[in-house]
Amino acid sequence: AQKITQTQPGMFVQEKEAVTLDCTYDTSDPSYGLFWYKQPSSGEMIFLIYQGSYDQQNATEGRYSLNFQKARKSANLVISASQLGDSAMYFCAMREGEDDKIIFGKGTRLHILP
Amino acid sequence: DTGVSQDPRHKITKRGQNVTFRCDPISEHNRLYWYRQTLGQGPEFLTYFQNEAQLEKSRLLSDRFSAERPKGSFSTLEIQRTEQGDSAMYLCASSLGWRGNYGYTFGSGTRLTVV
Repeated sequence: AQKITQTQPGMFVQEKEAVTLDCTYDTSDPSYGLFWYKQPSSGEMIFLIYQGSYDQQNATEGRYSLNFQKARKSANLVISASQLGDSAMYFCAMREGEDDKIIFGKGTRLHILP
Repeated sequence: DTGVSQDPRHKITKRGQNVTFRCDPISEHNRLYWYRQTLGQGPEFLTYFQNEAQLEKSRLLSDRFSAERPKGSFSTLEIQRTEQGDSAMYLCASSLGWRGNYGYTFGSGTRLTVV
């Protein structure tokens, strides 16, 4: 079974609009961490934001926020006021319990239109 | 601190040849990870090291693959007798720890093409 599911293969959004990238996860471990990474066409993976399973508040980093809905096992990334430079692949990822490795979803390709 | 470096950036090889990739992590990071990414997919975990010890290997890492981190600093990933299915981006990442907000810092990757 997929641990991380990203149901949007691609999205087109007008510049300056907000965008939500969906992510659902599957784990039975009460302790886990959720990550979002950005991968521009250059190929490098860039860490954006982190949410711990015990964190009481949704994580925010500048224009990025994570809409964490624990009961729904959902960890959507919200980008406010999108910019042309936001065009990239976005990956949701999870680290479970004592496990060290991070597991990635298949990603969503975001296109920001001028 | 210049980030995670990977060499080479691109490698084209003939089927059956051996290839070796190098990764230099951030100097104070004790954990080092290798991932493989094929077109249109997310990165898939291959293996990771804590210092010089290889702590976990994925089933994806067949006998033709071997990774080392001899002095707990740089790491190499070798693929023997390459096959066309090995064509992918090989990503290296390093981390200071593994709990909490210790995300990875990735290198730019080595793109392997087997012809």
